[in-house]
This record gives sequence, C-alpha cells and structure tokens, in this order.
Amino acid sequence: EVQLVESGGDLVKPGGSLKLSCAASGFTFSSYGMSWVRQTPDKRLEWVATISTGGSYTYYPDSVKGRFTISRDNAKNTLYLQMSSLKSEDTAMYYCARLSGVDYFDYWGQGTTLTVSS
Amino acid sequence: DIVLTQSPATLSVTPGDSVSLSCRASQSISNNLHWYQQKSHESPRLLIKYASQSISGIPSRFSGSGSGTDFTLSITSVETEDFGMYFCQQSNSWPWPFGGGTKLEI
Repeated sequence: EVQLVESGGDLVKPGGSLKLSCAASGFTFSSYGMSWVRQTPDKRLEWVATISTGGSYTYYPDSVKGRFTISRDNAKNTLYLQMSSLKSEDTAMYYCARLSGVDYFDYWGQGTTLTVSS
Repeated sequence: DIVLTQSPATLSVTPGDSVSLSCRASQSISNNLHWYQQKSHESPRLLIKYASQSISGIPSRFSGSGSGTDFTLSITSVETEDFGMYFCQQSNSWPWPFGGGTKLEI
C-alpha cells in the first residue's frame, strides 16, 4: 500500500524558515517524480514544487521560486521542502504527492499545516 | 500561464441525480486534464486522468470528456459519498494550475 506521511508543519513568523518532510513507503520511491501541493485556507489547490526521480531536475511556480527548495533522499525514501522568507500567503496545508509519469498526482499524503503569522 | 475555470462554484443536488461539472482552460491543453475529488477532512483523490481515462478503484459512475479547452466531469446517479469538492488540473505546460473547484452539496 502506498503511504505518504508528511511532517514538520508549524507556526512560523513572517520571514522565517521551515523544512517539511514526507516519508514514503509501499512503492519504489526512487522510480517516481514527487511533488508538493498546498491548499490554502479558502480551499484552493496550488502546485508548489516537483522533483525528478534522481533529484537532478526541479520545478517551481513563480510564487515560490527562489524561496522554496524541493529535495529528496532516495536512500531514506524521504521527500523534503525547505521554505524560507515565509509570507502570510504561504499559510496552507502542504501535501506530498506522487507523480505518475510527469502529468498527474496519483497518491497524496494527509498533509501538514504551515501557519505564517506574527 | 494557463488558467483553469471551473463552473459552477457550487452545485446542489439530490442523491440519484446525474450531474456535469465543467472545467475550461484559457488555451488549448489537448487532453492533459485530470480530475480530483476531495471529501471533507480528507486529501484529494485522483478520479480521471487525461480527460477521459478511468482510474482503477474509482466507481464507473464517474466519467470524463472533452479536449482542447472544454472539459466535463460527469457523475451518473450521485450517491451520498460523492459530496465534496472536485478540482481539475492541467499538465500541458508549466506551471500546473488547478481549477478553483466545484463544491457538490446536498
């Protein structure tokens, strides 16, 4: 059974930093691209970052480019999202999601919550 | 960037009704459109890939159609377990936006 378990969410002050983790199991982690998707308090979904199987290629939307860094440790079956210069608009539930091919998200974790507030 | 517009924002139905949810892209995305369902307090679940391809384990009452800019998710004979949010997502070009969602309610 595919399982994705996120952790690391917290309350952070504007301008602060945080690192999220996603522990994967039930599949060959190194064979899949992985992504982070967030859901804002108004329930909108926003793709945040994608990383290739080996970690060589990463993709971000402009809203987080230069502030967020996605990475992975295939030996530990773990995905990461390092976030810095956090803003209030980064407040969201952050989901780890497995990419099928390079197109869609076929499995999602349960999410971890980031709140950016002073 | 491509924008996905879903309509209606809210759809009120009765169990047993058949419904259609719309997703419109701001430019052609071929069939690179995927649908997700999200029930209250749960994470999203993939329903349909590439506009019309079914997903293992998803009930056959869910179907998708469309290509280019106009797409439809159809639910034949809605059941109580189907109530929640539905989102579309495109993968034709980066960045990958989601639509704003349609809330299916009783």
